[in-house]
Amino acid sequence: DVKVTQSSRYLVKRTGEKVFLECVQDMDHENMFWYRQDPGLGLRLIYFSYDVKMKEKGDIPEGYSVSREKKERFSLILESASTNQTSMYLCASSPRQGTRSGANVLTFGAGSRLTVL
Amino acid sequence: SQQGEEDPQALSIQEGENATMNCSYKTSINNLQWYRQNSGRGLVHLILIRSNEREKHSGRLRVTLDTSKKSSSLLITASRAADTASYFCATDLKEGTYKYIFGTGTRLKVLA
Repeated sequence: DVKVTQSSRYLVKRTGEKVFLECVQDMDHENMFWYRQDPGLGLRLIYFSYDVKMKEKGDIPEGYSVSREKKERFSLILESASTNQTSMYLCASSPRQGTRSGANVLTFGAGSRLTVL
Repeated sequence: SQQGEEDPQALSIQEGENATMNCSYKTSINNLQWYRQNSGRGLVHLILIRSNEREKHSGRLRVTLDTSKKSSSLLITASRAADTASYFCATDLKEGTYKYIFGTGTRLKVLA
């Protein structure tokens, strides 16, 4: 069963801590995404990556960075966590457009709920 | 600003009834997708409709797309308690951008 795995379902961190959220997919997908989800705001794109070592900013990249050293792994980094980064973080992946059927479909992980105190 | 906006924000119906939710978007699209999210979990893809299609079916799901009005609707027929979830539309703006913009979602509650 293909899947996207997020390393932590729940995290509690303190203001100023460095936070790593890990995401691994086993589908050989080229594209990977990080979204955050907040009540009333829906899903907002933080960063996405269309290839190893490639990344592009989404709509709300401030306060975040990402790393994609291997095709299957896409990490989201909060350099200095703040309380306004308390949220649900969702990782997703998809095949490159035009390469195979279902190329536009995102497969999501279960989410990581981060609380920053 | 959000590309997609779902309407209504919340919907409560009895089991066996049909549920209809709508999505409006602002700019031209290639595809529109609908996803379901069970409470506290990730999203699951339901159905994709391309910009040159007007209607698509999958099991109890029926999706329509009106590009002139920049809107889509998702109909769930003969709803079940297990359909209780939030439903999101997502659009990709043009080929090759890899960006999918999600709406704010409709929370559906199906009462047994």
